Amino acid sequence: SAVISQKPSRDICQRGTSLTIQCQVDSQVTMMFWYRQQPGQSLTLIATANQGSEATYESGFVIDKFPISRPNLTFSTLTVSNMSPEDSSIYLCSGLRGNTIYFGEGSWLTVV
Amino acid sequence: QQQVKQSPQSLIVQKGGISIINCAYENTAFDYFPWYQQFPGKGPALLIAIRPDVSEKKEGRFTISFNKSAKQFSLHIMDSQPGDSATYFCAASKNSGGSNYKLTFGKGTLLTVNP
Repeated sequence: SAVISQKPSRDICQRGTSLTIQCQVDSQVTMMFWYRQQPGQSLTLIATANQGSEATYESGFVIDKFPISRPNLTFSTLTVSNMSPEDSSIYLCSGLRGNTIYFGEGSWLTVV
Repeated sequence: QQQVKQSPQSLIVQKGGISIINCAYENTAFDYFPWYQQFPGKGPALLIAIRPDVSEKKEGRFTISFNKSAKQFSLHIMDSQPGDSATYFCAASKNSGGSNYKLTFGKGTLLTVNP
């Protein structure tokens, strides 16, 4: 398996603020992704984090709302900007090792 | 358009019974079909995965059955235990030939195994 660690694990955020989630992966991980899991729902891909360049976003997700960086192979950040209660979700970092996608434990955000 | 349809939404099984979860996909380009297990408060963990060149894969009590012509695959949990109680997600991706490894998930099945 791959080692994927995220922080924060949980946070309560005020409406209108922004929060940055950090993800550290082991050196065997090649690709990195960010997923969102809304309460009681399935996982939806936000974007593929590309090293040293702009992330590749999926339909319905935009860079202004979810800026992503990946300055090196083993580290990425996801910022949730100008949060609203609808952004209350679990944000999951994931990494590709070999042909398998592994997930971190997630960052549980509640926006009040 | 939901590309991976999963059923049932919830499932209650007695200890020792067989749990069966089904998924159907639409995109014939998918060539990798994993199942993830998620416990409350945890991230999804890979349980077992299959590629379309085989019709069945077994790992311990967990078996994936794959029907390429029907575009369906299922997870069977034999001798289900209370510790198996979790949410199970099927998923699919294209992992070859210029692949992007993007997973498309089903909506999940909440499995409860009663003692």
